[in-house]
Amino acid sequence: RKEVEQDPGPFNVPEGATVAFNCTYSNSASQSFFWYRQDCRKEPKLLMSVYSSGNEDGRFTAQLNRASQYISLLIRDSKLSDSATYLCVVNGASGTYKYIFGTGTRLKVLA
Amino acid sequence: DGGITQSPKYLFRKEGQNVTLSCEQNLNHDAMYWYRQDPGQGLRLIYYSQIVNDFQKGDIAEGYSVSREKKESFPLTVTSAQKNPTAFYLCASSLRDRGKNQPQHFGDGTRLSIL
Repeated sequence: RKEVEQDPGPFNVPEGATVAFNCTYSNSASQSFFWYRQDCRKEPKLLMSVYSSGNEDGRFTAQLNRASQYISLLIRDSKLSDSATYLCVVNGASGTYKYIFGTGTRLKVLA
Repeated sequence: DGGITQSPKYLFRKEGQNVTLSCEQNLNHDAMYWYRQDPGQGLRLIYYSQIVNDFQKGDIAEGYSVSREKKESFPLTVTSAQKNPTAFYLCASSLRDRGKNQPQHFGDGTRLSIL
């Protein structure tokens, strides 16, 4: 089993739609969780950290479910500019500096 | 502005040649990382360093070497032993705050190709 797993997609959605991605992780000791966005041929950019209580930033909502070991990202009112690959990132076991990246979920928002 | 600077943006390597990719950060982060990304693939960890003068191998360290003589700098050398070096190389740094890893910040990458 991979340490961090994501559905590669692509998710093709119309503008204005709501779309959700899940990401599962295998190490129950993981403490830090993040969503990054990566545009084609560019570096990943932090979208948001994921907190235990869940957090929202505008149209984006992140949730953490420790019992089932997954994190989710919800995008409301999708824009064309949201088209990108979304990477789930999980800190390794407690005390480690390693970050484990999922392979990403590709989103295409269609006009 | 604080950030991570990678250079060069594009690099070409000849057969049997070693090349060095530069990564400098002015964020005062302790930890620095090198990743490799192949087309359509995820990021794979090459090396990382938690403090000056110390570094650890990642998942794909063979054919690469690093040094960490200064906190700000973490250069990566792609040696001739790396037979398939063509990829997008990303440098990142991070801070540890109260025992928890903060998000990584990335440079804008170096594209390496074989001539």
